[in-house]
Amino acid sequence: DAKTTQPTSMDCAEGRAANLPCNHSTISGNEYVYWYRQIHSQGPQYIIHGLKNNETNEMASLIITEDRKSSTLILPHATLRDTAVYYCIVRNRNYGGSQGNLIFGKGTKLSVKP
Amino acid sequence: SQTIHQWPATLVQPVGSPLSLECTVEGTSNPNLYWYRQAAGRGLQLLFYSVGIGQISSEVPQNLSASRPQDRQFILSSKKLLLSDSGFYLCAWMIGTGFSGNTIYFGEGSWLTVV
Repeated sequence: DAKTTQPTSMDCAEGRAANLPCNHSTISGNEYVYWYRQIHSQGPQYIIHGLKNNETNEMASLIITEDRKSSTLILPHATLRDTAVYYCIVRNRNYGGSQGNLIFGKGTKLSVKP
Repeated sequence: SQTIHQWPATLVQPVGSPLSLECTVEGTSNPNLYWYRQAAGRGLQLLFYSVGIGQISSEVPQNLSASRPQDRQFILSSKKLLLSDSGFYLCAWMIGTGFSGNTIYFGEGSWLTVV
């Protein structure tokens, strides 16, 4: 079962920041937070991941609360092409075989509107 | 840079027919390899994973099997397809060394419709 809770859907205006929340209240110290997105009929695309520090890359920023029980993915300037299902996943850092597996929940369907 | 390819992209197969989906990874050695399935309107489910040639682990009992005949090749098969095997199949890979926080990367996916 997925260890995360996300809203089912969200809307965002084009050009505005999209802030996607995720609750992972049972996360352990050995688990990373990963974000992927899936555009219809395509494979999931890796966005970003983090352990406890905030992270930023060319796609997004990841803000993790100090207690690590929740996080927010920020797309700073959403475009229509960012419309997708966004998955927040926790994964054990000490992987070996299936421990490296990603358990996907149902994600958040983000709709970016003009 | 590393790339992952899987094929065919789309196929329609009759019930009871065999299946073979192939996945190859380029630009890396000894990757961990994964097969996932996504049924319509549902999340991804891990089917098989492999940490090396000939090493296959199954996550769920099913009508499918997997093989890894070469380091960067992963094959998903079935002898007789069922209607319930329809779905979107994804191959994925991850660096197989002991670095924590390694990322899993997905292929383009294969749409299977069993009729």
